Amino acid sequence: RKEVEQDPGPFNVPEGATVAFNCTYSNSASQSFFWYRQDCRKEPKLLMSVYSSGNEDGRFTAQLNRASQYISLLIRDSKLSDSATYLCVVNRGTGGYNKLIFGAGTRLAVHP
Amino acid sequence: DGGITQSPKYLFRKEGQNVTLSCEQNLNHDAMYWYRQDPGQGLRLIYYSQIVNDFQKGDIAEGYSVSREKKESFPLTVTSAQKNPTAFYLCASSPKLKGQGYNQPQHFGDGTRLSIL
Repeated sequence: RKEVEQDPGPFNVPEGATVAFNCTYSNSASQSFFWYRQDCRKEPKLLMSVYSSGNEDGRFTAQLNRASQYISLLIRDSKLSDSATYLCVVNRGTGGYNKLIFGAGTRLAVHP
Repeated sequence: DGGITQSPKYLFRKEGQNVTLSCEQNLNHDAMYWYRQDPGQGLRLIYYSQIVNDFQKGDIAEGYSVSREKKESFPLTVTSAQKNPTAFYLCASSPKLKGQGYNQPQHFGDGTRLSIL
């Protein structure tokens, strides 16, 4: 079993739709959590950190459930420019340095 | 501008040849990392370094070597022992974390695509 599991998709949604991605992780000692976005043939870029209380950044909302070891990302009012692969990332760093574990990603395709 | 620079963008390796991928950062970050990404897969950690002159193996270190002689530089050599080197290679860096907070993401270079001739 992979340490970070994501539904690979693809999720094909029309513009304006709301879409949710889920992610589970197996290591309960994981320290922090992120969502990264990766465009085709490009490097991953940080989308947002995920906090226990849940956090929102514009159209994006991230949630964390430590008890269930589950992370989610909600995108409202999808835009064509949201088309990308979304990587769920878990940090199980120690000793003052982070060590990120990446999920394989969920692909989103937003169509007109 | 501050950032991470990887070179070359594209690299071709002949059978039996060692090739070196460059990674330079001017963010004054302590830690640097090398990942490999295969199509449809997540990033897998090859090597990481938390401080100059020190580095540790990641999950898939076989067939690779690194050095960390300067804080800003972390080159990766893909040796002839790596039988399946074709992949997208990403270098990343992050600062040393302060206090109890581990909520510090990594910053990535724009990658090197390596293929076999």
